[in-house]
Amino acid sequence: KQEVTQIPAALSVPEGENLVLNCSFTDSAIYNLQWFRQDPGKGLTSLLLIQSSQREQTSGRLNASLDKSSGRSTLYIAASQPGDSATYLCAASYYGNNRLAFGKGNQVVVIP
Amino acid sequence: DTAVSQTPKYLVTQMGNDKSIKCEQNLGHDTMYWYKQDSKKFLKIMFSYNNKELIINETVPNRFSPKSPDKAHLNLHINSLELGDSAVYFCASSQDMAGREQYFGPGTRLTVT
Repeated sequence: KQEVTQIPAALSVPEGENLVLNCSFTDSAIYNLQWFRQDPGKGLTSLLLIQSSQREQTSGRLNASLDKSSGRSTLYIAASQPGDSATYLCAASYYGNNRLAFGKGNQVVVIP
Repeated sequence: DTAVSQTPKYLVTQMGNDKSIKCEQNLGHDTMYWYKQDSKKFLKIMFSYNNKELIINETVPNRFSPKSPDKAHLNLHINSLELGDSAVYFCASSQDMAGREQYFGPGTRLTVT
């Protein structure tokens, strides 16, 4: 069964602190792992995509790592800002049909 | 230019009605998807189409019928709407099924009263 888990479900951090969001998946036969951001009442914005052959991807203050053997991915957001407040969703894409299995998200609040 | 668009953005209707949600992508992608986000914000795949062919039908009641008239469009028709169908429905597309990044539409918030 292809399950994706994200912990913690919610967290608050003071502005300037680094954010660490964890994602685990049960089936290592993934194509890729995608991190999304969702603001309240809005759609999904793709942040980073890590192919199964890669270890990490970086974009600005964001860095995502992937460890297939342990079934884990971590999203790091450096020097958090109030504008980073959102729900972050991790999704694994599996061989055969590219379906995305989503975690339930990390709801982040960055306190000014 | 909107990459993946959905209409309508909001849909309020009564139980028993039939409604459709339209999705269009202008990315030239071969594969399109429908996802449902429930009241607990959990996102789950419903359908996927590749080159107008149904690939995934994820244990969805047959009141839901996707239709893909061409590669750029994937519409979702829902018959005999029920209260439990209230959710946000997202359309997405990817270049193909080979592990490509998926791009999401803005979502359609369906409320059944």
